[in-house]
Amino acid sequence: DVKVTQSSRYLVKRTGEKVFLECVQDMDHENMFWYRQDPGLGLRLIYFSYDVKMKEKGDIPEGYSVSREKKERFSLILESASTNQTSMYLCASSSTLGGGNTEAFFGQGTRLTVV
Amino acid sequence: AQSVTQLDSQVPVFEEAPVELRCNYSSSVSVYLFWYVQYPNQGLQLLLKYLSGSTLVKGINGFEAEFNKSQTSFHLRKPSVHISDTAEYFCAVSVVDSSYKLIFGSGTRLLVRP
Repeated sequence: DVKVTQSSRYLVKRTGEKVFLECVQDMDHENMFWYRQDPGLGLRLIYFSYDVKMKEKGDIPEGYSVSREKKERFSLILESASTNQTSMYLCASSSTLGGGNTEAFFGQGTRLTVV
Repeated sequence: AQSVTQLDSQVPVFEEAPVELRCNYSSSVSVYLFWYVQYPNQGLQLLLKYLSGSTLVKGINGFEAEFNKSQTSFHLRKPSVHISDTAEYFCAVSVVDSSYKLIFGSGTRLLVRP
């Protein structure tokens, strides 16, 4: 059974803390993604990676960074957490076909609250 | 830039009635298209996908969608819904240009009433 695993379901952090969200996939997928999900806004792409050590900014990268040192692991980093980063964070992975993504598989999500 | 528009934020419908959830996209190059479903407190799972071939795509749980290139649409349909179909549905686009970007719409909440 294919799997994308996010390290935490729920996190509470204080303003100004450095926060790490970890994601691991076991499908040998090239592409990995981080989204945040907010009511009425759908899934907004923060960063994605199409290869080890490669990363691309998505639509809302400000306040975030990422790391992909190994193919199976993609980390999202909040350098200095703020209350407006309180959200549900979703990690996904996919393989490629002819220059596009095939089916993406999602983790269960991490609900982050910044107080 | 590419974009995905889901025109309805919420669709209420009675059980056993048909439903259509609308999705339009904007892209100057070829795309792959997807519909995902999210049940409460769960991650997203794939309902169906269009990569190539027949424009009518059938998915799980009796859902189907039709790719209309001229209208840049990929509407999701089900002829008879059940209470258990109550969930949020997301349309997504992957542009076939080796950028590997995967873009989602804002979602449509389907509310099935008895």
